[in-house]
Amino acid sequence: AQSVTQLDSQVPVFEEAPVELRCNYSSSVSVYLFWYVQYPNQGLQLLLKYLSGSTLVKGINGFEAEFNKSQTSFHLRKPSVHISDTAEYFCAVSVPSGGYQKVTFGTGTKLQVIP
Amino acid sequence: NAGVMQNPRHLVRRRGQEARLRCSPMKGHSHVYWYRQLPEEGLKFMVYLQKENIIDESGMPKERFSAEFPKEGPSILRIQQVVRGDSAAYFCASSQSRDSYEQYFGPGTRLTVT
Repeated sequence: AQSVTQLDSQVPVFEEAPVELRCNYSSSVSVYLFWYVQYPNQGLQLLLKYLSGSTLVKGINGFEAEFNKSQTSFHLRKPSVHISDTAEYFCAVSVPSGGYQKVTFGTGTKLQVIP
Repeated sequence: NAGVMQNPRHLVRRRGQEARLRCSPMKGHSHVYWYRQLPEEGLKFMVYLQKENIIDESGMPKERFSAEFPKEGPSILRIQQVVRGDSAAYFCASSQSRDSYEQYFGPGTRLTVT
């Protein structure tokens, strides 16, 4: 079975500073990887995804993530955060299971941008 | 192009009552997934449905919970005899096909049991 670990439950960072949100996964088969963002009292919005090809993936709002197969990681980065980036971020993996793509989510990282 | 719709957005129920949560998938999508988000936790898979079929219900609690996706109309997640521990946000997602890797999420229904 696959699993996703987000080690940091909360990450405070000053505005315009860089940020990295960590994600590690385990799976016995190839995976697709995703980062979602959830603003307060809203649903999940897809930030970016890794399916294949280049290990550096660029997403919306200036975010990017790098797939590292040897370390089974998919860390999310942004060089300069804004107040509007304050939200909860979820890493997820998708694997084939029973003939469909089953998605498993991490427990989330709350990013707090400090003015 | 409407996204995934969920209603109600907020639902308050007393212990012992029934809760019905509705989900209308994106246009052209016939695959629906339900997730539960407990306070301070991530999303946990509950059930995957296609029209008129339950494909995977491995994440559904054994009792009181049921789900359906009829030929016509929205998907329904039904919780009978709610308890305080059922208080959570329930999210629905939809996809276009069975092997689609990308799911599109609705805004969620926040259930509060008093």
